[in-house]
Amino acid sequence: GNSVTQMEGPVTLSEEAFLTINCTYTATGYPSLFWYVQYPGEGLQLLLKATKADDKGSNKGFEATYRKETTSFHLEKGSVQVSDSAVYFCALILRANNLFFGTGTRLTVIP
Amino acid sequence: SQTIHQWPATLVQPVGSPLSLECTVEGTSNPNLYWYRQAAGRGLQLLFYSVGIGQISSEVPQNLSASRPQDRQFILSSKKLLLSDSGFYLCAWSVTSGRETQYFGPGTRLLVL
Repeated sequence: GNSVTQMEGPVTLSEEAFLTINCTYTATGYPSLFWYVQYPGEGLQLLLKATKADDKGSNKGFEATYRKETTSFHLEKGSVQVSDSAVYFCALILRANNLFFGTGTRLTVIP
Repeated sequence: SQTIHQWPATLVQPVGSPLSLECTVEGTSNPNLYWYRQAAGRGLQLLFYSVGIGQISSEVPQNLSASRPQDRQFILSSKKLLLSDSGFYLCAWSVTSGRETQYFGPGTRLLVL
């Protein structure tokens, strides 16, 4: 079947630390991959996406590279800020209307 | 630009009462529309999606239903709420074709007591 497995949180980092949130997927086809972010009390916002192997999605200093050989889409940021504190969701879509989400990883950045 | 609205933002309802959550999209025509639920501490679960007016597909059997009376309006309903219906309900839209990005609304937090 199709699924997304995310690194379990919560993750707590000091400001300016390096962030990695692991995401691996299982898919019966060739998916598009996404990272969404959910700030406290809000809905989900698209953070970045990649649609084919070796694509790198990037936004707001966050990056993730679509690795077909390892079926991974790890999220990274070189220097996190307090404002990055949120829940991060990895997701894949294979066909229209069928978006599979991971369970989310809560990130807390402390000053 | 496209925007998606949901209301109410927060709702507290007693068990057995009815439910109606509304979602509207602006700035696009004939979108695909989706309802997701996020239970506390868990990921998102797709409940319903719609590819057009009056067309509803259910992903998970439950006591909820959805309707799409207008092109850019999507309603989530229940005749009798259960405690297990508590959660954060998110509406989303996408363009009609391919594996397109889904864009989410601000959500409705529902607490059933």
